[in-house]
Parts: sequence; structure tokens; C-alpha cells
Amino acid sequence: GEDVEQSLFLSVREGDSSVINCTYTDSSSTYLYWYKQEPGAGLQLLTYIFSNMDMKQDQRLTVLLNKKDKHLSLRIADTQTGDSAIYFCAESIGDYKLSFGAGTTVTVRA
Amino acid sequence: GAVVSQHPSRVICKSGTSVKIECRSLDFQATTMFWYRQFPKQSLMLMATSNEGSKATYEQGVEKDKFLINHASLTLSTLTVTSAHPEDSSFYICSAREVGQNYGYTFGSGTRLTVV
Repeated sequence: GEDVEQSLFLSVREGDSSVINCTYTDSSSTYLYWYKQEPGAGLQLLTYIFSNMDMKQDQRLTVLLNKKDKHLSLRIADTQTGDSAIYFCAESIGDYKLSFGAGTTVTVRA
Repeated sequence: GAVVSQHPSRVICKSGTSVKIECRSLDFQATTMFWYRQFPKQSLMLMATSNEGSKATYEQGVEKDKFLINHASLTLSTLTVTSAHPEDSSFYICSAREVGQNYGYTFGSGTRLTVV
């Protein structure tokens, strides 16, 4: 099984906000990441948060980290059709490994 | 920003042949590169960690004689799938982290391998 868990699907109307949730298990993770994958492509780093932070905002993206509950979320404001993709949450393990969640498929409907 | 080039993007090979996939860091040096495998609609599974100038570290259950990794320079790692079989068909993705940086892994665009 995976150490990082996230919901598999999210459908959102264009213009609304999307919230993708993730839980992880390694309390010693130093960085947590959100990656975006479009069909047939590699992973694009969207944003990351250092474990001593509880929030990070970058344009339309807001990351919230609840370290006590080991819960990470990604909010996408004003979701657009180009945001349709698979979003992966990942935690750093030890010095360099990444452990990924199964990915959340976000579908933006008009 | 950091760019990782992966080649080829798609390859079809016959069963029993070998296929080499290249992963290059274009504008930075990477002592460590990572090879992942992704099954349809599933997450990424780390196969091995490629270390420049030394042997790769393989994850449990990954056959090192089947998936040969060479990391001969600070900008190039290769994954060779030897004696490929249809069950090796998958999406392979590499990633790299810049020397001296402890966050932010850059991923290649992936290679779709189909073994017929």
C-alpha cells in the first residue's frame, strides 16, 4: 500500500475553486509537493511546502499543511479547463526519495 | 528553470530485444537521478536511484539485471530494459535533483514503452 493517500477523482465547474486533499504518514518529511501530470506527459512541479510552514500561496494555488494531522491540501482558485489533469501529492522520505499518492484526476466542466 | 530531457518519448520493440532510455539534465548537474515506472491510472513506483559514478540502488522487487542503469556523467543517466517482454510495457519517467539543492525534483516527459 501507499504511504500517501488522496482521493481519486474530483469534478469541478469552470471558475469554481478546486480543493485536493492528501494525507501522508512520515512525520519526518521535510518537504511536501504537488505535481501535475497531463495525459502522456511527465510530472510538472506545481508547488512545494516546507514542513515548518502551514500555508503557502502562489498565484492561484494555495497549499495548506496540517502537520499534526499529516494532512496536505491544494486549492486551485478560478479553476480553468487547462487545469484538468492528474494531481499527485508527494512527500520526501529521508534524504531524497519521494513517495507519491495515487493521484487525483481533476475534471473541469464548463 | 531546470529541464530534464527524456528520450525517446515512445518506443515499440519486439519481445526479447533491449531498449535504452536516456535521461539528461539540460541546464544543471545531477549526482542523483531517479527512475520511476507508472502503470495506467496508477501512481509512480520508484524503481531505482541512479548515482553518478557508482552503482544504482534498486528498490525491493526490481530486477537489477533486467533494468540496467548507468549514470556515467553528471548530466546523463540511462535505463536499459533488457530482454523486454510484454509485461514490461509501461510508462517510464526519470527525475533529477540539482546538486546542492535539497528540494524540487524535475521530471522528464516520460517514455511510453510497448513490447509486442
